[in-house]
Amino acid sequence: SQQGEEDPQALSIQEGENATMNCSYKTSINNLQWYRQNSGRGLVHLILIRSNEREKHSGRLRVTLDTSKKSSSLLITASRAADTASYFCATDARGGSNYKLTFGKGTLLTVNP
Amino acid sequence: DAGVIQSPRHEVTEMGQEVTLRCKPISGHDYLFWYRQTMMRGLELLIYFNNNVPIDDSGMPEDRFSAKMPNASFSTLKIQPSEPRDSAVYFCASSLRLASAEAFFGQGTRLTVV
Repeated sequence: SQQGEEDPQALSIQEGENATMNCSYKTSINNLQWYRQNSGRGLVHLILIRSNEREKHSGRLRVTLDTSKKSSSLLITASRAADTASYFCATDARGGSNYKLTFGKGTLLTVNP
Repeated sequence: DAGVIQSPRHEVTEMGQEVTLRCKPISGHDYLFWYRQTMMRGLELLIYFNNNVPIDDSGMPEDRFSAKMPNASFSTLKIQPSEPRDSAVYFCASSLRLASAEAFFGQGTRLTVV
C-alpha cells in the first residue's frame, strides 16, 4: 500500500511559473525524499529531507516538511519545459529493523512553453 | 559507474511462459530493491535485499513471483507462469545504506504478457 500520496494528480502550468506539489503520508518517518521520472525512464532522486528538518533548498527546488501534519511540499520555481515529468514523494517508515522506501502515485507536471 | 543496469528493456511474452528480469546494482551498494509500476497501483515495492539476503518480500504478489540475488552484482526477478495482469514496468534500484539513503533506479523492464 502507498505510504505517500501526492496532490494534485496532474498540474499544468506555463513556463516561468512556480509549481507546487504536495505529499501526505500516514506513519512516522525517518526521511522523506522526492524523485522525478521522465516518461519511459527510471526515477531520479531530487532531494531528501530528514524528519528533524523543516525546509531544504536545492537550486530551484524547495522542500518543506511538516511532521505534525504528516505532509511535505515540493516547490519548483521559475519552471522550464524540461521540468515536465512525474514527481513522486517517497518515505521510509520509522521503527523496526525493516526498511521500506515506499512511493506515492505521483504528480504529473506539464510545463507549457 | 554505469548506474543500475536492467535487462531486457522490453519483454513481450505469451501467457504461461516464464519470464526472467535481470539487474546489476551499483558496485558497493548494499541494498537492492525490485519495484513494479502500473497506472492503477503506482510504484509498488516487491522485495528488497540487504547484502544479498532477502529482507522483506511481503510485496511479492503471489507464488508465481520469485527473486534471487546470488551475489552482490546480480539479481533476478522471475515470473512463472506469467499472466496478462503481470504486464507492467519493473524497476530495480540500489542504495548505499539503510538510513538516509538515496535510491538509484535502473531504466526499467517493460513487460507485456499477451
